[in-house]
Amino acid sequence: GAVVSQHPSRVICKSGTSVKIECRSLDFQATTMFWYRQFPKKSLMLMATSNEGSKATYEQGVEKDKFLINHASLTLSTLTVTSAHPEDSSFYICSARRENQPQHFGDGTRLSIL
Amino acid sequence: QKEVEQDPGPLSVPEGAIVSLNCTYSNSAFQYFMWYRQYSRKGPELLMYTYSSGNKEDGRFTAQVDKSSKYISLFIRDSQPSDSATYLCAMSAFNYGQNFVFGPGTRLSVLP
Repeated sequence: GAVVSQHPSRVICKSGTSVKIECRSLDFQATTMFWYRQFPKKSLMLMATSNEGSKATYEQGVEKDKFLINHASLTLSTLTVTSAHPEDSSFYICSARRENQPQHFGDGTRLSIL
Repeated sequence: QKEVEQDPGPLSVPEGAIVSLNCTYSNSAFQYFMWYRQYSRKGPELLMYTYSSGNKEDGRFTAQVDKSSKYISLFIRDSQPSDSATYLCAMSAFNYGQNFVFGPGTRLSVLP
């Protein structure tokens, strides 16, 4: 099956720190990767869509300078939360897909900003 | 009216019961339908995906799509405590992987 690995699974850091989250598709080349944010007991909120080698497309209301996305290869995308503040604390989940196939999700990163 | 509606639950059933999880939607253009299972503090796991109307079966899981009623269902037979999770439906007009809308999820508890 399609495996997506997300790292780290848990981050606790001080306010003002920048945090990088990695998302890798382990056994397939992903044409597109996605980044979501999920609040407790809520559904997933799409933040941005990224294709390898091109700029990410951000959803309305998502600050592109705050949430930097780099999609360096067909198997790796990174999300950097810059100058994180307590309101950025959340569960961040990535997903990846091949052409004409559903998205497969990573196990998420729980980010806590103190 | 929300684009995709799903009873949030929680839905509690005894072990061995048949579980029916449902989503209704308003956009008649949706053609691609997916069901994901999400355990607490984990990412969603793809269970099943179907195109257009009809049934699809995989082990204890059956997915049904009724486009005329804009209604999709996921049935779980012989439910197990390990099935306790949140079940999310998702659908798209274009393909399986993009521009799709998630339902809010139904929390299921299967009691031993």
